[in-house]
Amino acid sequence: QKEVEQNSGPLSVPEGAIASLNCTYSDRVSQSFFWYRQYSGKSPELIMSIYSNGDKEDGRFTAQLNKASQYVSLLIRDSQPSDSATYLCAVLLGSSNTGKLIFGQGTTLQVKP
Amino acid sequence: EAGVTQFPSHSVIEKGQTVTLRCDPISGHDNLYWYRRVMGKEIKFLLHFVKESKQDESGMPNNRFLAERTGGTYSTLKVQPAELEDSGVYFCASSQGLPYGYTFGSGTRLTVV
Repeated sequence: QKEVEQNSGPLSVPEGAIASLNCTYSDRVSQSFFWYRQYSGKSPELIMSIYSNGDKEDGRFTAQLNKASQYVSLLIRDSQPSDSATYLCAVLLGSSNTGKLIFGQGTTLQVKP
Repeated sequence: EAGVTQFPSHSVIEKGQTVTLRCDPISGHDNLYWYRRVMGKEIKFLLHFVKESKQDESGMPNNRFLAERTGGTYSTLKVQPAELEDSGVYFCASSQGLPYGYTFGSGTRLTVV
């Protein structure tokens, strides 16, 4: 079992719809969770971080964390073609005191005009 | 604020040759990380510096890889001798520390032929 799992996609949604990206992790004591966006050929860009159970909203983005289910998700409202990218889920392992992140393979999102 | 800078952006070398990648972190970021993404796989941790000290090098694949961060500023990652399986994109990232996420550089695409 991979430490961080994501559906590789592609996930295709029409412009204006809600895109839902999901991630599960295996380390029960993980405390910090991050979503990065990576455009083709570019570097990963941090878009959301979440540390507590529940929802965290930032503009059109909402991160959701459920530690009991070991599940973190990213919702993108009013999806735009410019949101088309690969979204990487990253987890800071509970045993880590160094900031080492474990990444999922990423989900490719395609927003169609 | 200048971001994380990496160079070269691309490098094509022959098997058996040596390559040195460089990373300049964001000024004031004591934490510097190297990650690698090989084709079709997730981004994987290589090592972590705090200032000039190696905090965690558990992800370094073998002794052909040598990372340094003299003076706690920029870092270099040397691969000697390079093998075909070393091909991939090498990312550097820096951080103020836990629990903050990283800022990634644009990466060095290494191709070993």
